[in-house]
Amino acid sequence: SAVISQKPSRDICQRGTSLTIQCQVDSQVTMMFWYRQQPGQSLTLIATANQGSEATYESGFVIDKFPISRPNLTFSTLTVSNMSPEDSSIYLCSADTSGGLLDTQYFGPGTRLTVL
Amino acid sequence: DQQVKQNSPSLSVQEGRISILNCDYTNSMFDYFLWYKKYPAEGPTFLISISSIKDKNEDGRFTVFLNKSAKHLSLHIVPSQPGDSAVYFCAASALRIQGAQKLVFGQGTRLTINP
Repeated sequence: SAVISQKPSRDICQRGTSLTIQCQVDSQVTMMFWYRQQPGQSLTLIATANQGSEATYESGFVIDKFPISRPNLTFSTLTVSNMSPEDSSIYLCSADTSGGLLDTQYFGPGTRLTVL
Repeated sequence: DQQVKQNSPSLSVQEGRISILNCDYTNSMFDYFLWYKKYPAEGPTFLISISSIKDKNEDGRFTVFLNKSAKHLSLHIVPSQPGDSAVYFCAASALRIQGAQKLVFGQGTRLTINP
């Protein structure tokens, strides 16, 4: 397993601004992911954060809106750019500690974002 | 297109009884299934998983059953305890096909254990 922390835990932002969320894992992991959970909805994968290369985005998510960094094997950031009220969600990062063998991901506590 | 569905948004069970949470999926390529538990203000916590080559996996009070022909899985918790009150998410992936850990989640079921 892995211990994953996220900063900030919550934030209230104004429309049109950007917020960067940090995710730190207590051990080196090969795969890190970013999810969004909109109110009353399921968790939706935004992108896979690849170490040393561009993130791989899922359908409906683009780099300009959600730029992601992964500078090393324990850290990643997600930026929510040019925010609108529709971006109000919980954003979660996760990591796979099985090396891709078992598809068991461990999640951080989430960042609750409210956009006014 | 909701590929993983949890049709019961909530479930209430008496302490000591069995809790059964259900999950249906539509993508026949899914070959690995997981259950997560989520408390308020925390991230989902991995609970138990099952590969498509099995039809049952047990871990203490938790058992997951997989019925591939019906594209259905269930999580059994017995005996249920007050600390089991949480939202439970079912998730699936097509690990062999996609070679990457793309989890598709259901909408979640809020389980309440009554004393």
